[in-house]
Amino acid sequence: AQKITQTQPGMFVQEKEAVTLDCTYDTSDPSYGLFWYKQPSSGEMIFLIYQGSYDQQNATEGRYSLNFQKARKSANLVISASQLGDSAMYFCAMREGYGGTALIFGKGTTLSVSS
Amino acid sequence: DTGVSQDPRHKITKRGQNVTFRCDPISEHNHLYWYRQTLGQGPEFLTYFQNEAQLEKSRLLSDRFSAERPKGSFSTLEIQRTEQGDSAMYLCASSSTGDQPQHFGDGTRLSIL
Repeated sequence: AQKITQTQPGMFVQEKEAVTLDCTYDTSDPSYGLFWYKQPSSGEMIFLIYQGSYDQQNATEGRYSLNFQKARKSANLVISASQLGDSAMYFCAMREGYGGTALIFGKGTTLSVSS
Repeated sequence: DTGVSQDPRHKITKRGQNVTFRCDPISEHNHLYWYRQTLGQGPEFLTYFQNEAQLEKSRLLSDRFSAERPKGSFSTLEIQRTEQGDSAMYLCASSSTGDQPQHFGDGTRLSIL
């Protein structure tokens, strides 16, 4: 079974609208971390936001928020007020356990923002 | 605070040749990771260092691959006898502690002719 599932290959949104990118995960480890990264066409992988499995509140970073639903094992990324520069590939990733382990990535979602 | 630096950005080589990539992590980041990313996929883990110790290796890291981090600072990834299937983007990441977010370099894109 896949550890990280991103079911939306592509999403389209207009500027200034909000968009939700879906991510579900599968782990039996009680301690884990969930991450979102952005990869523009230039290739660099940019860290956006992090949620720990024991965090009580949803993480927020500027226009990014993570809708963490532990019972449903979902960690959706919400981007508010989309901008043209948000057009990129977005990856959800998970670290199992605590500290110093590999990230497991999903296949990604391509977001296209139009004016 | 400069980011993770990788060199070269692009490498084109003939099948069967050896190649070596270098990664300079963010200063004082003890944890260093190598990943491989093929077109249309997410990155896949290759190996992990804490300081100079290589603590974890993926089964993707065949015996043609070797990674080192001799002084606990920069790291090198060598691929011997390259094959067509080695064509990919090789990404390096570092973190200050094991549970902090990993910050990635721009990657080295390897093309095998």
